[in-house]
Amino acid sequence: NAGVTQTPKFQVLKTGQSMTLQCAQDMNHNSMYWYRQDPGMGLRLIYYSASEGTTDKGEVPNGYNVSRLNKREFSLRLESAAPSQTSVYFCASSEARFHYNEQFFGPGTRLTVL
Amino acid sequence: GENVEQHPSTLSVQEGDSAVIKCTYSDSASNYFPWYKQELGKRPQLIIDIRSNVGEKKDQRIAVTLNKTAKHFSLHITETQPEDSAVYFCAAVGDDKIIFGKGTRLHILP
Repeated sequence: NAGVTQTPKFQVLKTGQSMTLQCAQDMNHNSMYWYRQDPGMGLRLIYYSASEGTTDKGEVPNGYNVSRLNKREFSLRLESAAPSQTSVYFCASSEARFHYNEQFFGPGTRLTVL
Repeated sequence: GENVEQHPSTLSVQEGDSAVIKCTYSDSASNYFPWYKQELGKRPQLIIDIRSNVGEKKDQRIAVTLNKTAKHFSLHITETQPEDSAVYFCAAVGDDKIIFGKGTRLHILP
């Protein structure tokens, strides 16, 4: 089992460009999450999908959109990238939403916006 | 908004000594408190968690304590080893949210 996978591993964008970060899990989990990690800021939840067909905003959703393509895949889109979106992005999944459920993280995508 | 404060931000302990990391949360609805360990350049991984109806949980050299009245919870690592060097994150989880602390960088000194 690969667990949670993310593509790409690294990306450099210019301000105003768009891109989609891809995430997939093979653990048959219902819930999936997108976080950003900035130095000294911990992990902050951007969006989550409690189950296939649903998505909800997290703590820092502005500037992002998500799509739960199917049970396995959850993508994060930046429509018009800004330097403030330079960060490491982690996707995670869990059996069910939030409480009492371990979250399994992907390897991360390091994004730089110039 | 809701937040989780984590202290200290950096901690250095001699190998073999104990380390304690403390977190305070603000949302009374939080009922699950996991701890994640992140080694340099790697993904976060769960090391221990505790539910709100439990005061203490132990797993070999690591333990977590929870004081729900004071909204405090702590991670205790005994007999520290070099492989314990990492960043540790606490989190407070409710029905529809998870808030992480800012992390503690733990250095194990030889």
